[in-house]
Amino acid sequence: KAGVTQTPRYLIKTRGQQVTLSCSPISGHRSVSWYQQTPGQGLQFLFEYFSETQRNKGNFPGRFSGRQFSNSRSEMNVSTLELGDSALYLCASSLASNYPSRNEQFFGPGTRLTVL
Amino acid sequence: DAKTTQPPSMDCAEGRAANLPCNHSTISGNEYVYWYRQIHSQGPQYIIHGLKNNETNEMASLIITEDRKSSTLILPHATLRDTAVYYCIVPPLTGGTSYGKLTFGQGTILTVHP
Repeated sequence: KAGVTQTPRYLIKTRGQQVTLSCSPISGHRSVSWYQQTPGQGLQFLFEYFSETQRNKGNFPGRFSGRQFSNSRSEMNVSTLELGDSALYLCASSLASNYPSRNEQFFGPGTRLTVL
Repeated sequence: DAKTTQPPSMDCAEGRAANLPCNHSTISGNEYVYWYRQIHSQGPQYIIHGLKNNETNEMASLIITEDRKSSTLILPHATLRDTAVYYCIVPPLTGGTSYGKLTFGQGTILTVHP
């Protein structure tokens, strides 16, 4: 089974621009979560989507948004980029079953965003 | 999430067993213990999870104490490629603000030496 894929792998943008990152989950997984990883803050949860609905959101400004499509693929968007948005952005997919024993998350390789 | 405590770093010789401890004294009865690792600059990798019985898969073994307040991840024959940050996580049962959210602490930096 193919793993979680993220595109692009690397991205360089300048302040004020916006960016869209894409995530394709493992086939059959309906939940996609997004995380931001920086050296100073570590891994932080951004939001989670399930069946095209955002079910949970972390403590990030409204410049960070996302969506999920009917095939479970997800995108996240960051508008008005700031230098501090430079980070590794990770997505993870899971079955999101009703059984807590089956909700392990599988992560993609990440998108490395650099804001100049 | 139930708070977890891990040592910041550990060393292990290649070929020996690596035993990584985790304290989770506030874990509730139906919460699972999950272990992930992150090799430098890669996405975290799921390793194993368990409720109260010991678990084993192709990557590792998980030993959970009878009172469930602590656990140990065992890599039976560590290799250089096992050098990574290991995270012990106890996610709350799904629902409400817990959907899809894993809370990563600082983890344990495991360094495997030749």
